[in-house]
Amino acid sequence: QVQLVQSGAEVKMPGASVKVSCKAFRYTFTTYNINWLRRAPGHGLEWMGWMNPFTGDTGYAQRFQGRVAMTRSTSISTAYMELSRLTSEDTAEYYCARDYDGNGYFDLWGHGTLVTVSS
Amino acid sequence: DIVLTQSPDSLAVSLGDRATIKCKSSQSVLHSSNNKSYLAWYQQRTGQPPNLLFYWASARESGVPDRFSGSGSGTEFTLTINNLQPEDVALYFCQQYYSPLSYTFGQGTKLQLK
Repeated sequence: QVQLVQSGAEVKMPGASVKVSCKAFRYTFTTYNINWLRRAPGHGLEWMGWMNPFTGDTGYAQRFQGRVAMTRSTSISTAYMELSRLTSEDTAEYYCARDYDGNGYFDLWGHGTLVTVSS
Repeated sequence: DIVLTQSPDSLAVSLGDRATIKCKSSQSVLHSSNNKSYLAWYQQRTGQPPNLLFYWASARESGVPDRFSGSGSGTEFTLTINNLQPEDVALYFCQQYYSPLSYTFGQGTKLQLK
């Protein structure tokens, strides 16, 4: 069925980078924007940014500017989110989500990828 | 950033009863150009990704049972669940998409069975 499948859990040292993937199944990947969000333990959801899979255009939340990069590989219908200079505050479940009509709400979500930052 | 505050933080309701969840925005999310409130509601069951319930405050997503309803405009919004079923136990949260590059979410309301 239509779904987004994310890569598995990661454990990273402080200062390292992490790259999470999100593969689209059963719909045309390049048609709809992919957004990335996260939920840290005890916190609400936080929006990180969006990417247009057709053009590669991106838009990032101000607090992640300079530290996040959202890219894609259209040949394998996969979006990527790379977050650098990790700290313990980046420990969170990271989600990709599809924006169906470009308005900013999300009709399809990946199952989440747990990223743990610990020394 | 627009702050969304949900109430209550948690709620226990008996099977068959009604659950009401509020979402209050720190500023209006009603766009004058189209008279639409840029607010969505989601349900997240344990171990599952979020599931879109409503967008434009009251437009029901395909497949969502009609015992769920969304209402409100501007700064005050309500999610109502009638005839509560066991599968409705979940975390519910609102989201505003009025501010581009600055979408924000409510803290969530945990709905449990009494």
